[in-house]
Amino acid sequence: EAQVTQNPRYLITVTGKKLTVTCSQNMNHEYMSWYRQDPGLGLRQIYYSMNVEVTDKGDVPEGYKVSRKEKRNFPLILESPSPNQTSLYFCASSLIGETYNSPLHFGNGTRLTVT
Amino acid sequence: LAKTTQPISMDSYEGQEVNITCSHNNIATNDYITWYQQFPSQGPRFIIQGYKTKVTNEVASLFIPADRKSSTLSLPRVSLSDTAVYYCLVGPMNTGFQKLVFGTGTRLLVSP
Repeated sequence: EAQVTQNPRYLITVTGKKLTVTCSQNMNHEYMSWYRQDPGLGLRQIYYSMNVEVTDKGDVPEGYKVSRKEKRNFPLILESPSPNQTSLYFCASSLIGETYNSPLHFGNGTRLTVT
Repeated sequence: LAKTTQPISMDSYEGQEVNITCSHNNIATNDYITWYQQFPSQGPRFIIQGYKTKVTNEVASLFIPADRKSSTLSLPRVSLSDTAVYYCLVGPMNTGFQKLVFGTGTRLLVSP
């Protein structure tokens, strides 16, 4: 089954304790991205990647890191989490087409709480 | 990047047609318009996409006027299960999505 898998689904941590949220897709998609969703603010892009070793900042990259060493994986890293990073996080992927616009496929989300 | 504006919320009843309009005044020539549906605690799901005029699939229709500065998602005969948040997204083809900007979405509530 074609899917984007995020882990964990729920995570509670304390301020300053490094954590990684994993994202993996099995559709051979070039494009992957991370979003955070907060009440009243919709989806905001954190980072995106056009292919292996190609990443760039979205609208709210502060406090986050990403890496794209393999095509299928795009982990989100919080080196020193803070309470304002408490949010619902989504990973998404899509093909990159020259003559078409491929829809995004989203994972089921990771709810992060930083105390 | 084209910014989108949608109504914050809409109410409807089962069996009615629902039209959700999205404004995107600075849409670029190579931008497509895509709509997503999101249920609580789930990731958004693709509904429909278009470039101009009208597009129809098994779940919705998308109407885009000639100037492409707005678009309307039409859901025929909604049911309770259509209660969700609907996002309009404008983004380019050819070079992939790159940096994307989602709006705050429209929360649709369908009542019996």
